[in-house]
Amino acid sequence: QSVLTQPPSVSAAPGQKVTISCSGSSSNIGNNYVSWYQQLPGTAPKLLIYDNDKRPSGIPDRFSGSKSGTSATLGITGLQTGDEADYYCGTWDSSLSAWVFGGGTKLTVL
Amino acid sequence: EVQLVESGGGLVQPGGSLRLSCAASGFTFLTYPMHWVRLAPGKGLEYVSGINSDGDRTYYATSVKGRFTVSRDNSKNTLYLQMGSLRTEDMAVYYCARGRATYYYDNWGQGILVTVSS
Repeated sequence: QSVLTQPPSVSAAPGQKVTISCSGSSSNIGNNYVSWYQQLPGTAPKLLIYDNDKRPSGIPDRFSGSKSGTSATLGITGLQTGDEADYYCGTWDSSLSAWVFGGGTKLTVL
Repeated sequence: EVQLVESGGGLVQPGGSLRLSCAASGFTFLTYPMHWVRLAPGKGLEYVSGINSDGDRTYYATSVKGRFTVSRDNSKNTLYLQMGSLRTEDMAVYYCARGRATYYYDNWGQGILVTVSS
């Protein structure tokens, strides 16, 4: 059971928009920055979003992040088949004194 | 270019030990915290362990505390994970990752497979 809760799967058609939620508590998301990672099949995770809503260089603006209270959201617009991957949110948990991840969300582009 | 290359994985029996290494290049290793994250078959990412830049503060997931030890050698630009009393549930691909101050990982290694089986 992950500390951060994500939907197991989401799906949408090419060109459409999808959002992935990440729910936590005051000890993690509520008081710390959230990051998001994309893991394509058979590859290492890749940073998509950091500090809630910032994109590293090279990440297209189709990817966006937001945070409100104890929840965070990853948005992906203009879906492409190459976006099919597992997506994870992550943050620091002050109560556990450890980094924590969500359980992951599998994105299917139909 | 930042590069992180893990090594030391393989097959080990339950109860056995293994030491993973992560060779870093392309950045000033001694100024960054470093971490280990794993991905078990059919599961999601799990934080394993981390160490600050000086090596004097370490962090562990509850699941590995007391069995794993993280360390670093800043003179060799290398991160280590000594794993002991290995269990079948420790079987996973282990990634080393470079940490940043606001609790995210901006660079990851390609991963190394650890198989725990008799």
